[in-house]
Amino acid sequence: NAGVTQTPKFQVLKTGQSMTLQCAQDMNHEYMSWYRQDPGMGLRLIHYSVGAGITDQGEVPNGYNVSRSTTEDFPLRLLSAAPSQTSVYFCASTQFRSFQNTEAFFGQGTRLTVV
Amino acid sequence: KNEVEQSPQNLTAQEGEFITINCSYSVGISALHWLQQHPGGGIVSLFMLSSGKKKHGRLIATINIQEKHSSLHITASHPRDSAVYICAVEPGAQKLVFGQGTRLTINP
Repeated sequence: NAGVTQTPKFQVLKTGQSMTLQCAQDMNHEYMSWYRQDPGMGLRLIHYSVGAGITDQGEVPNGYNVSRSTTEDFPLRLLSAAPSQTSVYFCASTQFRSFQNTEAFFGQGTRLTVV
Repeated sequence: KNEVEQSPQNLTAQEGEFITINCSYSVGISALHWLQQHPGGGIVSLFMLSSGKKKHGRLIATINIQEKHSSLHITASHPRDSAVYICAVEPGAQKLVFGQGTRLTINP
């Protein structure tokens, strides 16, 4: 997916460890978001940002922190990993426009396992 | 009940078959997206539509706003079409709500 770079692709953590998932976009989009994808469920919104310096909680924010110091970067931090955070994580960069012209781009995903 | 429901959840077909994946939603929307997720890969956008029908190659997407329903069709399916197909709606306020996805497997 051109424009959204998400790292790492795979990660194994021990319970209690912390880590940061990186996400960067070069399309100058204001809206960036983090989702988790679990079997049998749709993508669920963790946190989102509508611009530099502005972040807000999504549907499942507990255990995660975000910051948006620049338009380009939107890292997701796991403060103290738990097995329930085992999931596939996606970063998205979205340009919501009028006249049904929204552009949404996704990172390659991070498969996280917490043991 | 989820705001976006897809059916079927899993679909296996033979190469060449005509495929239909359905998406029903319960909220008013400004647009609907169909996305594709390949195994081990990221998610890419296939279509965005708010009315009528769109076609790209062998893929066709339709939407009926009154019935709150959309379908994704694949003609002359091929093993490389095997992927998870995801429906997402825009209920407004800079938000996307996703269906749970349909896992499609096309056997040669």
